[in-house]
Amino acid sequence: AQSVSQHNHHVILSEAASLELGCNYSYGGTVNLFWYVQYPGQHLQLLLKYFSGDPLVKGIKGFEAEFIKSKFSFNLRKPSVQWSDTAEYFCAVTRNSGYSTLTFGKGTMLLVSP
Amino acid sequence: DVKVTQSSRYLVKRTGEKVFLECVQDMDHENMFWYRQDPGLGLRLIYFSYDVKMKEKGDIPEGYSVSREKKERFSLILESASTNQTSMYLCASSFVWGSGRAVGDTQYFGPGTRLTVL
Repeated sequence: AQSVSQHNHHVILSEAASLELGCNYSYGGTVNLFWYVQYPGQHLQLLLKYFSGDPLVKGIKGFEAEFIKSKFSFNLRKPSVQWSDTAEYFCAVTRNSGYSTLTFGKGTMLLVSP
Repeated sequence: DVKVTQSSRYLVKRTGEKVFLECVQDMDHENMFWYRQDPGLGLRLIYFSYDVKMKEKGDIPEGYSVSREKKERFSLILESASTNQTSMYLCASSFVWGSGRAVGDTQYFGPGTRLTVL
């Protein structure tokens, strides 16, 4: 079974600091990769996704993620965080063929101080 | 915009009660999912459905059942609620991606139901 590992459970940053959240997955085949975000009191929503093509994908609100197949990684980055980025971030993976479900990491809570 | 709605935001039930959580999506999605979200554990899949009247167990189906009588509606049933089922329950839906019953496409989530079992 596939699994997803997020390196940090909690991250605290000051505004304007750079962000990188780590995500590694265990499945050896071809995968689809996602980052979801849950702002306080809001729905879980898609931040960005990778299915194929350019391994550097851009999402909403200035976020980007890079798929490195050799490292089984899909790290999320943002060059300069804002207070409004305070949220919980979830990495998720699914196989891109056959009958597969989405497997989520345990989440990283990001707190950005003003 | 895709809209996934859940019948209640907050629910308090007693141990042993039968509990129904309802989810409705308005985008004609084939796939629907039920997760529970617990602090430090992320989202764990309880059940999913890829078509009307079809259902598949997820990672933690014990103590739960589901019903999908109409394409837009997916219900989660706790047959006899227990305190360890106190949690946030999230419903999601997605289109079929690719051929067959692949379920790997973007999932759209509802607001969640916070269930407390006393």
